[in-house]
Amino acid sequence: DIQMTQSPSSVSASVGDRVTITCRASQGISSWLAWYQQKPGKAPKLLIYAASSLQSGVPSRFSGSGSGTDFTLTISSLQPEDFATYYCQQANSFPQVTFGGGTKVEIK
Amino acid sequence: EVQLVESGGGLVQPGGSLRLSCAASGFTVSSNYMSWVRQAPGKGLEWVSVIYSGGSTYYADSVKGRFTISRDNSKNTLYLQMNSLRAEDTAVYYCARDKLYYDILTGYYTWFDYWGQGTLVTVSS
Repeated sequence: DIQMTQSPSSVSASVGDRVTITCRASQGISSWLAWYQQKPGKAPKLLIYAASSLQSGVPSRFSGSGSGTDFTLTISSLQPEDFATYYCQQANSFPQVTFGGGTKVEIK
Repeated sequence: EVQLVESGGGLVQPGGSLRLSCAASGFTVSSNYMSWVRQAPGKGLEWVSVIYSGGSTYYADSVKGRFTISRDNSKNTLYLQMNSLRAEDTAVYYCARDKLYYDILTGYYTWFDYWGQGTLVTVSS
């Protein structure tokens, strides 16, 4: 199985801050990575796929980068509605995809 | 508008069975790859099972031999039959539509572009 490790597990930030979350794969996965946002009691929402492609309807302040084993999700200017938990997901070992452990973005 | 609505969750004793349903609207289930993903309380996401548009099915090792994914094309509904349930199966179960990508050189890749609201399954005596 491909293991996905996210860091940090939580981050405190203020509205307007730039926030970066990292995801590392246990083996190379090319660009086959997605990012999701999940708010309490809600289903995950797809933000980024193929490492850097923005899902339709997602604000442009979200961006993704990376390839191989190291990936980042960046929120360029944190908004109040962005406080949530973020998960990465590798798509390389189709169909048995795996998710990272999550990063909680909290209000500072 | 694409919508997925799960039902069928509840409290069940260890060793018991439960069938989850996921009613879809706004698209055709049988024309898509569809998955179940679960989330234990306070934990991360775990992929459980997928059914291909052609009908092939695959399972996570943790549920193989106990869970069965299926669909009813006439009802545009996805199912997950869960047998021999264990305490560690306690989770919110989401159905999700696969956003499939095919690379001619390297094969298929998937992520999930639509999710249901989830249904809670609690396995406890």
